[in-house]
Amino acid sequence: GNSVTQMEGPVTLSEEAFLTINCTYTATGYPSLFWYVQYPGEGLQLLLKATKADDKGSNKGFEATYRKETTSFHLEKGSVQVSDSAVYFCALRSPNRDDKIIFGKGTRLHILP
Amino acid sequence: NAGVTQTPKFRVLKTGQSMTLLCAQDMNHEYMYWYRQDPGMGLRLIHYSVGEGTTAKGEVPDGYNVSRLKKQNFLLGLESAAPSQTSVYFCASRRPSPGSNQPQHFGDGTRLSIL
Repeated sequence: GNSVTQMEGPVTLSEEAFLTINCTYTATGYPSLFWYVQYPGEGLQLLLKATKADDKGSNKGFEATYRKETTSFHLEKGSVQVSDSAVYFCALRSPNRDDKIIFGKGTRLHILP
Repeated sequence: NAGVTQTPKFRVLKTGQSMTLLCAQDMNHEYMYWYRQDPGMGLRLIHYSVGEGTTAKGEVPDGYNVSRLKKQNFLLGLESAAPSQTSVYFCASRRPSPGSNQPQHFGDGTRLSIL
C-alpha cells in the first residue's frame, strides 16, 4: 500500500543553518506530494506541493523536488529562522485514491537563536 | 476568513461520558475528514466523508461515529469515552480534484482529555 517515511526528529539547528528533512514514499502510479507545517497550537497548513515528476514546489524559502527515480520529496531551506520552528509533515495522495491523503509521522524542528 | 472551525477547543471528560465534536467549513468543500494526532504517531484518519449524507471508515474508526447531515458540517461522536481516546482531534476539508492535487484545509484542533 501507499506509505510515507520521513526522518525522525527532533531536528535542532542554529539560525541561518541549512535545513534538509528527508521524505521518501511508496505508491503506485504518480501520486501528488505535499509538505504541511504545524505551528504550536495550530492545525496543519499546506507549505508546498508537487504533482508530477521533477516538479519543484516552493514557498517561504522552502523547496522540495519530486524525484520519481528515488521516490523522494526532501524538504530544504537555505537559511532557517527561529520562526520556522514547527512540526513538518510529508504527505501523498494517490491518483487512484483521491479521497485520502497519507501523512508521514512528522518531524519536529527547533531553531535556536 | 473562517475556513475550518472546530468546537470546542478543549474538553475534559470522564470515562464513559459521551460527547460530539463539531467541524464546520465555509468553503463549500465536498470532502471532510476527522484525524487524531498522538505523540509519535502522526495523524491517523478516523472517518471521512466524500459528500453530504455519506461517511466512510478510516484507519482507526473504532469507538467513534460520524454524521454529515449538512455539507458544511461533519460531526464526530464518542458514545462512551475511554482514556485511550485522549488526543488532539483535527478536522479537515477539501475539494475533490482531478489529478489529486487539491490540499486539505485544517481546523485548529480540539484537545480532548479522558480521565
